[in-house]
Amino acid sequence: QTVVTQEPSFSVSPGGTVTLTCGLTSGSVSTSFYPSWYQQTPGQAPRTLIYRTNTRSSGVPDRFSGSILANKAALTITGAQADDESDYYCVLYMGGGTSVFGGGTKLTVL
Amino acid sequence: QVQLQESGPGLVKPSETLSLTCTVSGDSISSYYWSWIRQPPGKGLEWIGYIHYSGSTNYNPSLKSRVTISVDTPKNQFSLKLSSVTAADTAVYFCASQWGGDWYFDLWGRGTLVTVSS
Repeated sequence: QTVVTQEPSFSVSPGGTVTLTCGLTSGSVSTSFYPSWYQQTPGQAPRTLIYRTNTRSSGVPDRFSGSILANKAALTITGAQADDESDYYCVLYMGGGTSVFGGGTKLTVL
Repeated sequence: QVQLQESGPGLVKPSETLSLTCTVSGDSISSYYWSWIRQPPGKGLEWIGYIHYSGSTNYNPSLKSRVTISVDTPKNQFSLKLSSVTAADTAVYFCASQWGGDWYFDLWGRGTLVTVSS
């Protein structure tokens, strides 16, 4: 069974740039997987950041960007701010109507 | 402004059926796909399944044998039933709209905690 992989944790300095990735235990991620990204703070519902690989959801600042890098989906945060400290989840579409979440990345800004 | 609101019992006994409803306001349910997603305490998110307003469904293979999602178009609601629950089904359950074609989750409910315990 193919699993969607994410870094368990990452840290970035305020003002710095960080790239989180979303891969597969078997195979490469492409735009055909319609990667999407979500931000979640404790006790809150997820917030949609990016869909269709690189399209920002309404109201999302342009310091969040999505791409495909080295056969993985990637979420880059440029100029990290303190309130970017959250859990980040990717979702890949596996075909046949099935979506799979990655395990999530806990981002620390310090 | 479209809003989604989950409702249902917060406590379910083991081996019984978990039942939740999501009420959609501000838009017709006769568009999009409508999904259920859950998150056990301290863990990650898991897609449970979706229903299209036409009634077509698709479920996570790992839960398929226990899940039923239905839609009530006149009430602008869709519902989740999960049978034979165990403590492992304790989670916050979210409902969300999902765009077919791009397959992303657009709008989310606030979530409701369901605890499985005797």
